[in-house]
Amino acid sequence: DAGVIQSPRHEVTEMGQEVTLRCKPISGHDYLFWYRQTMMRGLELLIYFNNNVPIDDSGMPEDRFSAKMPNASFSTLKIQPSEPRDSAVYFCASSLVAGGRVRSYNEQFFGPGTRLTVL
Amino acid sequence: AQRVTQPEKLLSVFKGAPVELKCNYSYSGSPELFWYVQYSRQRLQLLLRHISRESIKGFTADLNKGETSFHLKKPFAQEEDSAMYYCALSGDTGFQKLVFGTGTRLLVSP
Repeated sequence: DAGVIQSPRHEVTEMGQEVTLRCKPISGHDYLFWYRQTMMRGLELLIYFNNNVPIDDSGMPEDRFSAKMPNASFSTLKIQPSEPRDSAVYFCASSLVAGGRVRSYNEQFFGPGTRLTVL
Repeated sequence: AQRVTQPEKLLSVFKGAPVELKCNYSYSGSPELFWYVQYSRQRLQLLLRHISRESIKGFTADLNKGETSFHLKKPFAQEEDSAMYYCALSGDTGFQKLVFGTGTRLLVSP
């Protein structure tokens, strides 16, 4: 298994442009997470899905950010319009709630990240 | 509100020296605490979790509820321990949601 796959690995764009980040979770995993990593704030959870349904998007910074999960094997994080302060590394992670035991934390497996630079 | 604090951005030690990476948390319930690690050019991965009470790569961490701390310790640091370390918390509701600290970069010099 290649693990969580993210694309692109690097993205450089200009302010005002639309940016779409992609993620393929580990096959069979039922939770998917999007994080943003910056020097100042560390790792911040943006949004997470369970069985393709958004559960908590309270970390999404503003309306410019949106995330979708049309099926169990694909998710996107879109920024429109992008701004320089969105420059960061964006991680996707997935996990499997083994045996349906939701009341217990399950290890998250991270992708390699997408380094976004907005000029 | 859930909060994880890692007061040191950078910790630099010599090989063979003891290491302690500090982590304090704020949570009113019974949290689960974790350490994640990111080695150079590798993915972020789980190092250890407090409920397992295990030692991984010589690292241990004890949950101190009185001091609300979960410091990561290793008696003798190795150069291959150089990495970014994140402390994280999962609350007793919404178990799958992790709150991370800002991370500490450990640099072990020869």
